[in-house]
Parts: sequence; C-alpha cells; structure tokens
Amino acid sequence: GAVVSQHPSWVICKSGTSVKIECRSLDFQATTMFWYRQFPKQSLMLMATSNEGSKATYEQGVEKDKFLINHASLTLSTLTVTSAHPEDSSFYICSARGRDRGTNSPLHFGNGTRLTVT
Amino acid sequence: QQQVKQSPQSLIVQKGGISIINCAYENTAFDYFPWYQQFPGKGPALLIAIRPDVSEKKEGRFTISFNKSAKQFSLHIMDSQPGDSATYFCAASGSFGNEKLTFGTGTRLTIIP
Repeated sequence: GAVVSQHPSWVICKSGTSVKIECRSLDFQATTMFWYRQFPKQSLMLMATSNEGSKATYEQGVEKDKFLINHASLTLSTLTVTSAHPEDSSFYICSARGRDRGTNSPLHFGNGTRLTVT
Repeated sequence: QQQVKQSPQSLIVQKGGISIINCAYENTAFDYFPWYQQFPGKGPALLIAIRPDVSEKKEGRFTISFNKSAKQFSLHIMDSQPGDSATYFCAASGSFGNEKLTFGTGTRLTIIP
C-alpha cells in the first residue's frame, strides 16, 4: 500500500529558531500534498495545499511567511516553521495524493511530527 | 457551508457491541465521504469511504450508511473490540475525493471489556 513517511516524528526547539519537517511519498508519486495541524483532542485543520512545482495554497488565517512549504519533487514536500514560538507547538501531519489516480483517490497520511517550542 | 458535524464527541461501548458514529454535512457539492481512524501520536488511517450513489458500504466489521436526502452518514463498527479504541474522524470532499478534505470534529471511542 501507499506509504507516506514524515520526519522527524518529534522535535523540540528553542523559541526563535526554525524547524523543517519532511514529508515523503515512498512508493508513489504525489502530485498534491496537504499539511495539517492538530491540537490535542481536536480535529485536523488544513494549513495549506502543496502542488509539485508550484507555490502552495494557504488556508485563511495561516501565515505563509511563517509556515514555508516547498514541494520540489513528486515525492517530497517540506514544511518549515520559521521563528518558532511556544504557540506553534502542535502536531503537524502531512498527507499525499498520487498522480493519475482515478476517482476517490484516497489521501495517505504520514505519522505526524510533534513540535514543542520551549 | 463547509462544515461537517460529528457526534458524539466520545463514546464508550462494551466489547462485542456496536459502535455508531454520526456525521452531517451541509455542502451539497460533497461527493466523497471517508472515515479515518487515528491512534494517539499517529496520523489518521483511511478505514472506509463511500460515494453518494450507494446507501451502504461494508468492509469487514465496518459499515458506512449514507442518507443523501438528509445529508447524513454514519459509521457502524460491529463486534467492537478493545483494539478499535481510537479517535474516529469523518470527512467530506468534492470532485470524488480529488479536492481537499473537510474533517469532522472527531469521536473518541473506548471499547471496554
């Protein structure tokens, strides 16, 4: 089955530093990747949609200069949290959809990255 | 109009019982309705999905019931097991799943022995 690998699984960083999270599709080419943020006991909130080779589309209220998304290849998207602050602490999850998929293309999710900013 | 409302927020079911989680949507353009299972510290995993041209879909112990006129769909877990204890999210999307997903608020299911 389709596998999405997310790295790191957890990271602790100091306030003011930047953190990069990688999302890789291991056995399929992902034309579209989505980045979500999830607070404890809450639902997944879509942050942005990333298409290979083009700029990401951010959801309303998400700061594009703070959450930098790069989708440079069909198997890799990265999310960089710049100048992180404690309020950025959260569980970040990526998902990917393959190319040339027919209808009902399922989204495959990574296992998430737990970010803690101290 | 983009909301997907999910209930209950939490559910406790005895082992062997039937777990039922309900969702309702507003956007009539939605035409793909998946259910995801999430364990603590993990990403969601697709359980089962349905399109509105059928009223029911069954995969093993998991069944989706869909009511297009009421804009509601539900997940039934038959013979619930302790290993089913997790958080379940319904979701909806347009273009047969090729658009972004809108998630429900989640249901924390606990199966007790």
